[in-house]
Amino acid sequence: DTEVTQTPKHLVMGMTNKKSLKCEQHMGHRAMYWYKQKAKKPPELMFVYSYEKLSINESVPSRFSPECPNSSLLNLHLHALQPEDSALYLCASSQMVVSTQETQYFGPGTRLLVL
Amino acid sequence: SQQGEEDPQALSIQEGENATMNCSYKTSINNLQWYRQNSGRGLVHLILIRSNEREKHSGRLRVTLDTSKKSSSLLITASRAADTASYFCATGKAAGNKLTFGGGTRVLVKP
Repeated sequence: DTEVTQTPKHLVMGMTNKKSLKCEQHMGHRAMYWYKQKAKKPPELMFVYSYEKLSINESVPSRFSPECPNSSLLNLHLHALQPEDSALYLCASSQMVVSTQETQYFGPGTRLLVL
Repeated sequence: SQQGEEDPQALSIQEGENATMNCSYKTSINNLQWYRQNSGRGLVHLILIRSNEREKHSGRLRVTLDTSKKSSSLLITASRAADTASYFCATGKAAGNKLTFGGGTRVLVKP
C-alpha cells in the first residue's frame, strides 16, 4: 500500500468554526508533513512530524494546530481561520527524517474554503 | 522563500514533442527532486537526483543536475496528453528532510 489518504476532500467552514483535517498512511513511514498550497503556487511546508514528535513548525499561526496520534495518523485542527487560509492542504509522508534522500508521498489534498 | 525557480512558467506543446523545463536554486543541496501535480490534486514523485550525480533517466524522463550552476533540467520525451500537469522541482537539505519547492512549470500537451 503506497497510498496517503486525506479526508475530507473538500471543506467549507466559517471563521468561527472548528474543524479537523485527517491524513493516514500505512507504509510504515515515520515522517509526516503538512503543506499548504494556494492556486498556481508551489506547496509551502507547514509542519513536519518525525517519530510522532513535531520537528519543524514553519512559523505557522496558532489557529492551525497539528496532532500526530500515532505513526499512521496526522491531523490538522483548524480554529478561527481567515478567508486567506483558503487553499489546498496536502499531507505527505516519507520513511524517515535522518536521511535527506527521501521521497515524499503525497495525499490528494483537502480543498478548504473559509467564508 | 522559494529555493527553486522554474523556467518557463508555462509550456504548450504538441503530442509527440519533447518538453524541457529548468530549475535554478540558490544554496547548496543534498538532492533535487521533481514532482508532477495534476490539476488540483496531490503531487507525484518523478525522480530524485543526488548532488553527486549529473544525469538520471526514468522511462521518458531525463534529469540533469549542474551543481556549479545551481541548476537542473527535466526533459520529457515523446510527450503525451496525459503528461499535461504542473511540474515542480524541490530541493532537500540536511535538516529534517525539508523540501522547498520551485514555482512550477505548467505543461499543456495538445493532442
